[in-house]
Amino acid sequence: GAVVSQHPSWVICKSGTSVKIECRSLDFQATTMFWYRQFPKQSLMLMATSNEGSKATYEQGVEKDKFLINHASLTLSTLTVTSAHPEDSSFYICSARDRREVSYEQYFGPGTRLTVT
Amino acid sequence: AQRVTQPEKLLSVFKGAPVELKCNYSYSGSPELFWYVQYSRQRLQLLLRHISRESIKGFTADLNKGETSFHLKKPFAQEEDSAMYYCALGVISSGSARQLTFGSGTQLTVLP
Repeated sequence: GAVVSQHPSWVICKSGTSVKIECRSLDFQATTMFWYRQFPKQSLMLMATSNEGSKATYEQGVEKDKFLINHASLTLSTLTVTSAHPEDSSFYICSARDRREVSYEQYFGPGTRLTVT
Repeated sequence: AQRVTQPEKLLSVFKGAPVELKCNYSYSGSPELFWYVQYSRQRLQLLLRHISRESIKGFTADLNKGETSFHLKKPFAQEEDSAMYYCALGVISSGSARQLTFGSGTQLTVLP
């Protein structure tokens, strides 16, 4: 089946520093990847849609200069949280759509727990 | 605008009892609906999609366009069904991307 990996699975960083999270589709190519944020026991909030070779589309209220997204290849998208602050602490989840499929189905990564101290 | 509503944040049932997780949607286009499940400490995974009309792990869901609902049902709940369940609606974004809009989720606990 389609597998999506994320790295790292958890990260602790100091306030003011930047942290990069990688999302990879392991056995399929993904022209579109998505980045979500999930608060404890709450739903997933879509942050941005990442398209290979073009700029990401950010949802309303998401700061594009703070959450930098790069989708340089058909199997890799990265999210960089710049100048992180404690309020950025959260669970970040990526997902990907298989370019061969026409449905809306997304395959999800295991998530990355970010803690900013 | 599209919206997915899951009215129950928490739902507890006893093992062997029937369970129904409610989902209502609003969308002006032709809906494509999914149920995703997230077991404790695991990633989100697809449980059902309405176009497949399948039964997975004993769960079924029928799309009712008249009531704009896609409720998830299982006749006899098992303890291993305890998880967070999300209803999701496929939509086309303003940028023409196929996206999923998620409901707020229902935490199902099956009691022994």
